[in-house]
Amino acid sequence: NAGVTQTPKFRVLKTGQSMTLLCAQDMNHEYMYWYRQDPGMGLRLIHYSVGEGTTAKGEVPDGYNVSRLKKQNFLLGLESAAPSQTSVYFCASSYPAGGKLLSSYNEQFFGPGTRLTVL
Amino acid sequence: GENVEQHPSTLSVQEGDSAVIKCTYSDSASNYFPWYKQELGKRPQLIIDIRSNVGEKKDQRIAVTLNKTAKHFSLHITETQPEDSAVYFCAASIAGRRALTFGSGTRLQVQP
Repeated sequence: NAGVTQTPKFRVLKTGQSMTLLCAQDMNHEYMYWYRQDPGMGLRLIHYSVGEGTTAKGEVPDGYNVSRLKKQNFLLGLESAAPSQTSVYFCASSYPAGGKLLSSYNEQFFGPGTRLTVL
Repeated sequence: GENVEQHPSTLSVQEGDSAVIKCTYSDSASNYFPWYKQELGKRPQLIIDIRSNVGEKKDQRIAVTLNKTAKHFSLHITETQPEDSAVYFCAASIAGRRALTFGSGTRLQVQP
């Protein structure tokens, strides 16, 4: 199993450009997440999804959109990139299908990250 | 929402010494507290976690303690080794949700 993969690994954008980050998981996980990591600030949740076709806002959703058309994929979009969106983006997934929602505490598995620079 | 504070931000110890990292959380509904280790340029990986119905959990050289009344939890690493050098993140999750709220991280450096 590949686990959680992210595409691309690195990207440089100019202010105002758009792009989509792709996250894929092959663990049949129900939940998927997008975080950004900035120096000294830990990981902050951008958006997350509790299942195919559903998305929800996290702590820092402004400037980002997401879609979960297929269970295994979670896309993060930047419509008009800004320098403040320069960061390392991590995707994660958790909660294997068939798990007990009320009693299970599921490890989040992270992808390798995407380093994005907006000039 | 939940707020997790983590201290210290940096920690330097001699090989063989113990290291302790502390976190506090704000929401008493939180019931799951994982710790992640992130090596330079790598993804975060879970090293240990604890649920609110347990006060302490140990896995070889790593232990985590939880004080629900005071709303704080700590990571203890004994007999530190150079390969323990990394950034460690604590996190908390509120019952009924799956998203984690992370602390700001502790950079641990183990001097040989």
